[in-house]
Amino acid sequence: DAGVIQSPRHEVTEMGQEVTLRCKPISGHNSLFWYRQTMMRGLELLIYFNNNVPIDDSGMPEDRFSAKMPNASFSTLKIQPSEPRDSAVYFCAGRGQDHNEQFFGPGTRLTVL
Amino acid sequence: AQSVAQPEDQVNVAEGNPLTVKCTYSVSGNPYLFWYVQYPNRGLQFLLKYITGDNLVKGSYGFEAEFNKSQTSFHLKKPSALVSDSALYFCAVREANQAGTALIFGKGTTLSVSS
Repeated sequence: DAGVIQSPRHEVTEMGQEVTLRCKPISGHNSLFWYRQTMMRGLELLIYFNNNVPIDDSGMPEDRFSAKMPNASFSTLKIQPSEPRDSAVYFCAGRGQDHNEQFFGPGTRLTVL
Repeated sequence: AQSVAQPEDQVNVAEGNPLTVKCTYSVSGNPYLFWYVQYPNRGLQFLLKYITGDNLVKGSYGFEAEFNKSQTSFHLKKPSALVSDSALYFCAVREANQAGTALIFGKGTTLSVSS
């Protein structure tokens, strides 16, 4: 099992550009979570899905952020337009039907210039 | 509301000494508790969990944690620290009867083990 796959691993973009982060959870995991990690704010939950349905998006900072999960094996987090304060490491995590531990991907390090 | 507190931003120990990383939680009902470790430039890695049963839980890399309901704590321990244990450690909780919800994470504690 390859674990949770995130792409790209690193992204450098300019302010105003659209950024799309991608996540492929572990097969069979029916919950998916997007987190953001910064030195200032630590680990923040942005949004999560159960069975491809968004359950709680209260952590999404602004309307510039959107997330989709079109099927059980793929999710995207989009920032449009991006701003320098969006620079962070973005993690995707999945969880199985036992609803217990979450399994994290390696993260995408986003730098917005 | 659910919450997790890790009162120490950093813990420093010498190699070979025992280590403790503290965690306290607040939930309305029974808790499910977790510890994760994050090495530099890596994702969070699951260490151990308490769901039910024995209050002393053993996990990966020789770590263990003790669930203490009266003190609402779930401290992470290891009898003999290694330099390679140096990392960022996160405690997390969710309420047992809220199966579909996300884990609530603490702010993290940086463990530094000196040789």
